[in-house]
Order: sequence, then structure tokens, then C-alpha cells
Amino acid sequence: QMKLQEAGPGLVKPSESLSVTCYVSNGSMGTDYWNWVRQSADKGLEWIGYVAHTGDTNYNPSLKSRVRISLDTTRNQFSLMLTSVSAADTAVYYCARSPPSWSFYFDPWGPGTLVTVSS
Amino acid sequence: DISVTQFPSTVSGSIGDTVTITCWASQIIDPWLAWYQQKPGRAPKLLIYKASNLATGVPSRFSGSGSGTKFTLTIYSLQPDDLAVYFCQHYNSYPWVFGQGTKVEIK
Repeated sequence: QMKLQEAGPGLVKPSESLSVTCYVSNGSMGTDYWNWVRQSADKGLEWIGYVAHTGDTNYNPSLKSRVRISLDTTRNQFSLMLTSVSAADTAVYYCARSPPSWSFYFDPWGPGTLVTVSS
Repeated sequence: DISVTQFPSTVSGSIGDTVTITCWASQIIDPWLAWYQQKPGRAPKLLIYKASNLATGVPSRFSGSGSGTKFTLTIYSLQPDDLAVYFCQHYNSYPWVFGQGTKVEIK
């Protein structure tokens, strides 16, 4: 059964960049879509974007100017970078898979990693 | 953007009851709707995809239905393990959007 596991910095200073990596085990990254979703008390669950197995990306317009998602299939991982962070970016960040074709539900999810933006 | 709104924000039921959660979309989205269960301190877990398809390993007392802009998650024979927050999510068009959640309480 495929498993996802996030690794993040825990604490990031305002105006700096946030980087989180998702490690994928017990499965191939070859045909699917790889997503980042975050959850905060203020905004609830928010889809950030995805990287396809082809390397194509799609981002939520609300974050598009600050987000980059990249894929490394040789290491079975994908990563999120969010620039110019503020307190509003404090959230639990989840990685999640979507299956091939037009099926953008999320399954499975990683357990999540809390990232706090504070000086 | 298409928004989704869940009703109610909290629902209570006794063990064995049937509870229903509704998700309204601001535009026609069927059948591109999913339901998730989130227990405290855990990641969301997929229950239903494509409006009515049960995800692998999910008990059959969970059921999804609906079309157009109105969708429903029904939990039959409520169990103590069902204590959680439930979310809907549309994936009709970018950006994918989640509902605000419905908390299921056990009386």
C-alpha cells in the first residue's frame, strides 16, 4: 500500500521561503498526480497545486505567484516551495496523490507536517 | 472559482442512527465530488469519489449520492468510530475546493 510522508522545517521566519518534501514509498510515481494541500484554522483545507508525472504543474491562483512544486521520480519524492511567507501561511501541510485521468480526488494522504511562520 | 458549502456545521446522532450531510456547489459539478473523513490529529481519509463511489476499505454504511449542484453523504447505523469532521471537495475545474467541514458528534 502506497505511503506518503512529509518532511518540513517546522519554523520559518516571515518573508523567507518554506520548503517541504514528500517521500513516496511502496509505489511508483510514474502515472499519477502529486498534490500539496494545507489546512489552517482560518482557511480550512486549501489545495495548493500539483505536479504531474510528466513534470507539468498546476497551481491554485491564490498562491500561484509564490509556489513551485517539483518532482524527482528517481528518488521517489516531490517538493513544495512557497516564497515570501507570512503568518497567514502557518498551516499543516499535506501531500496527497491523485490517480491518472480526470480524477482529482486525494488518496492517500501523508500524515502532515506543521509549519509555523514566526520570527 | 466554484465554491462548495456544507450543511450543517455540526450534526449529532445516537449509535445506530442515520445522519446526513449536504454539500452545495455554486455551479454544476457532477459527478466530480469527493467526501473525506478527518479524525482529530489525523490527515483526511477518502470515503467517496465521483459522488457515489465507495473508496477501497470504506464500510458500506457510508453512502454518497447527488447530482448537479447538490450532493449528500449518508452514514447509516452510526458507530462510535464515526466521530470526526467530514469534508466535501469538488474537482470539476481549477482550483479544487473543499467545503468547510461538518462535525459529527455522538450523543
